[in-house]
Amino acid sequence: KNEVEQSPQNLTAQEGEFITINCSYSVGISALHWLQQHPGGGIVSLFMLSSGKKKHGRLIATINIQEKHSSLHITASHPRDSAVYICAVPANFGNEKLTFGTGTRLTIIP
Amino acid sequence: EPEVTQTPSHQVTQMGQEVILRCVPISNHLYFYWYRQILGQKVEFLVSFYNNEISEKSEIFDDQFSVERPDGSNFTLKIRSTKLEDSAMYFCASTPPEITDTQYFGPGTRLTVL
Repeated sequence: KNEVEQSPQNLTAQEGEFITINCSYSVGISALHWLQQHPGGGIVSLFMLSSGKKKHGRLIATINIQEKHSSLHITASHPRDSAVYICAVPANFGNEKLTFGTGTRLTIIP
Repeated sequence: EPEVTQTPSHQVTQMGQEVILRCVPISNHLYFYWYRQILGQKVEFLVSFYNNEISEKSEIFDDQFSVERPDGSNFTLKIRSTKLEDSAMYFCASTPPEITDTQYFGPGTRLTVL
């Protein structure tokens, strides 16, 4: 069964700073999800990636399958980026149900 | 862009009452999931559903829970007799037929059991 670790648990940064959130998992996977949870509780899927790197606007996600590690980066951070960022992976290889990390609470101060 | 919708956004109920949480997955999706998140805790898998039957369920998904796809569009989660510890956010997700490792999440229903 996959175990997911995220770091840091909490991150406070000044507007404009470059942000990195890390995720490690224990069992090989077909794909990894990065999700954003807003203060109201809703979840938005940011990325699903299985190799290399993906970029959407100021968000960049990378994954190293061999090291079982992924990072989410935010460039030129803004207060509206303040949210909880969650990493999720399939519970086992080939199994679609997801196992979630505890999330990283990001606060960007103007 | 198509999206998963959930109703209601917030449900308040008395302990022991039955609740039904509703989800409308994206129309051509075939795999459906319910997850829940107790306040301050991780999101947890409850159940997956494919081809009109449960394909997998967690230990949390006991006899008090049931899922149904009563028509071609809705996917429901029923809790028969709610307990205080059922208070949580409940998320529905669905997966398209051709990309089974991508899940699209609904906005969630916040259930409060008093």
